[in-house]
Amino acid sequence: QVQLVESGGGVVQPGGSLRLSCAASGFTFSSYGMHWVRQAAGKGLEWVTFIYYDESKEYYTDSVKGRFTISRDNSKNTLYLQMNSLRTEDTAVYYCARDSIPRGSGWYGDHWGQGTLVTVSS
Amino acid sequence: DIQMTQSPSSLSASVGDRVSITCRASQGINSYLVWFQQKPGQAPKSLIFSASSLQNGVPSRFSGSRSGTEFTLTISSLQPEDFATYYCQQYNFYPLTFGQGTRLEIK
Repeated sequence: QVQLVESGGGVVQPGGSLRLSCAASGFTFSSYGMHWVRQAAGKGLEWVTFIYYDESKEYYTDSVKGRFTISRDNSKNTLYLQMNSLRTEDTAVYYCARDSIPRGSGWYGDHWGQGTLVTVSS
Repeated sequence: DIQMTQSPSSLSASVGDRVSITCRASQGINSYLVWFQQKPGQAPKSLIFSASSLQNGVPSRFSGSRSGTEFTLTISSLQPEDFATYYCQQYNFYPLTFGQGTRLEIK
């Protein structure tokens, strides 16, 4: 079955960097677009970024543009989120999630990882 | 960006009640809407996609509907396991956007 396992979270100072990983299994990773979604403690869900299955397109929410970069290594079945110039407001649980339509773009929200906690604090 | 206005923000109800949660999009999103259920410490769970299609394995007491830019999630008869937070999300345009959430509590 589809499995997504995030890692790389931790505590970082404001202005610092962190790279999250999401290891995928149970499906053909190279055929599906992938998302990152985050949730601050006690707050709602916020979509962060998306990358097409073939890396041809990326989308970002405005608050992370120029600071975060999504990437993937289809040979390693792994999704990444490089986070630079981190701010206290980036503190959240970060989830990776799989798109629902192979070789396209379609989101039914049906496959998520368990999340990894990023804390930005001095 | 598309704004998703969800109401109510919280709701108290009893087991067996019928409840509805509404989400209004700031512009047309066709039927590109998902409803999620989230329990504390867990990832969101998709209940409904394409505004009214039930995800596999989701009980039939959950249903979704659309009228223009207004979307409704209805739970026909609340069960104890349904007390959770619910979110809508549009996926017609990037950035994808969520509603603020509705916390469904036991009365």
